[in-house]
Amino acid sequence: KQEVTQIPAALSVPEGENLVLNCSFTDSAIYNLQWFRQDPGKGLTSLLLIQSSQREQTSGRLNASLDKSSGRSTLYIAASQPGDSATYLCAVSPMDSNYQLIWGAGTKLIIKP
Amino acid sequence: ETGVTQSPTHLIKTRGQQVTLRCSSQSGHNTVSWYQQALGQGPQFIFQYYREEENGRGNFPPRFSGLQFPNYSSELNVNALELDDSALYLCASSFGRVAEAFFGQGTRLTVV
Repeated sequence: KQEVTQIPAALSVPEGENLVLNCSFTDSAIYNLQWFRQDPGKGLTSLLLIQSSQREQTSGRLNASLDKSSGRSTLYIAASQPGDSATYLCAVSPMDSNYQLIWGAGTKLIIKP
Repeated sequence: ETGVTQSPTHLIKTRGQQVTLRCSSQSGHNTVSWYQQALGQGPQFIFQYYREEENGRGNFPPRFSGLQFPNYSSELNVNALELDDSALYLCASSFGRVAEAFFGQGTRLTVV
């Protein structure tokens, strides 16, 4: 059974720092992995999708990597800003699932001005 | 191109009542998935509809049911509401069953 873990559960850093969020999964048989952002009480905003055949994806100050063999993904945020404060969730699409996404519990990020 | 929209945004219902939540998928998308998210947790998969057919279901009882219409919009129906059904209900649309998912803003359901 696929399980997704995100560590740490919360992170607080000063503005301007580069930071890395971690996501690990137990079964490497996945179609893709997706990173999302969620503001308090709001829906989910898709940030990056990495297909299983890809190693990384970049969008602006965000870079996501995927290492299927070790069951890990990282989300790198460069030059963090207070507006980056949110909860970041990763989700995998397992090959043996009924097309559902399996989610981590998220990392709550606070960027201090 | 319009994004995924959900209605209503907030809803308060009494235990035992029935509720219908609605989702308009993003233009060009043929797949809709529904998730339930409790506070402080990741979303839990309810079911997915692909071209008007239920395509996969999570560990939710039959009182959770849905529909997808020819325009690919969707409804989630919950009968005999329980207090534990209080959550944020999220709808996601995609072009294909394992493609990138785009979410609506969610419906906050409170059962009292």
